[in-house]
Amino acid sequence: SYELTQPPSVSVSPGQTARITCSGDALPKKYAFWYQQKSGQAPVLVIYEDIKRPSGIPERFSGSSSGTMATLTISGAQVEDEADYYCYSTDSSGNLWVFGGGTKLTVL
Amino acid sequence: QVQLVESGGGLVKPGGSLRLSCAASGFTFRDYYMSWIRQAPGKGLEWVSYISSSGTSIYYADSVKGRFTISRDNAKNSLYLQMDSLRAEDTAVYYCARVRREYSYGYGYYFNYMDVWGKGTSVTVS
Repeated sequence: SYELTQPPSVSVSPGQTARITCSGDALPKKYAFWYQQKSGQAPVLVIYEDIKRPSGIPERFSGSSSGTMATLTISGAQVEDEADYYCYSTDSSGNLWVFGGGTKLTVL
Repeated sequence: QVQLVESGGGLVKPGGSLRLSCAASGFTFRDYYMSWIRQAPGKGLEWVSYISSSGTSIYYADSVKGRFTISRDNAKNSLYLQMDSLRAEDTAVYYCARVRREYSYGYGYYFNYMDVWGKGTSVTVS
């Protein structure tokens, strides 16, 4: 099986930069994607192909990837950014799709 | 607008069966891969299965292989998940999602990701 590892929680004050990491052995050759899930809601894509931002996602959300680690950065985090964040990628075959365990972001 | 609406969830006894449906609208359903993802109470997201646009390519997570069957009816713009031999650990909210499939010339492979999700349907095995 293949695993993506995220920290369980990250906490920042409003206006600070939040960084959430995701590590996986296949990430040097596979894209990482990031989903935001607010309480009681379905997940929403916030970063795709490591660094791209879908339309409608605020510019404060950005992504990067280096080696076996991908990072979601929220520059100037807002209270409304409080949510669970999940990274997603695939194993080396591309046929097993995997989510990281999720990171709870607290902004207060 | 693009919309996915799941249905068919409910309470079922261990060993029982349930069939989930997902009605798609607002896009050309037959052109897209589709996927099911679940989330147990208080837990993270778990990919369950995906099916290619034609239905000829199907993959499952090890946790459901041999018990769940994904299928689609492109004429009805619908995705299905037949769940048999259900266990307590299958209790979750089940989400239907549209899959974007793109080719990366840099990495030299097709990659897939979920770009639109439904609101989910709840399954309780007890």
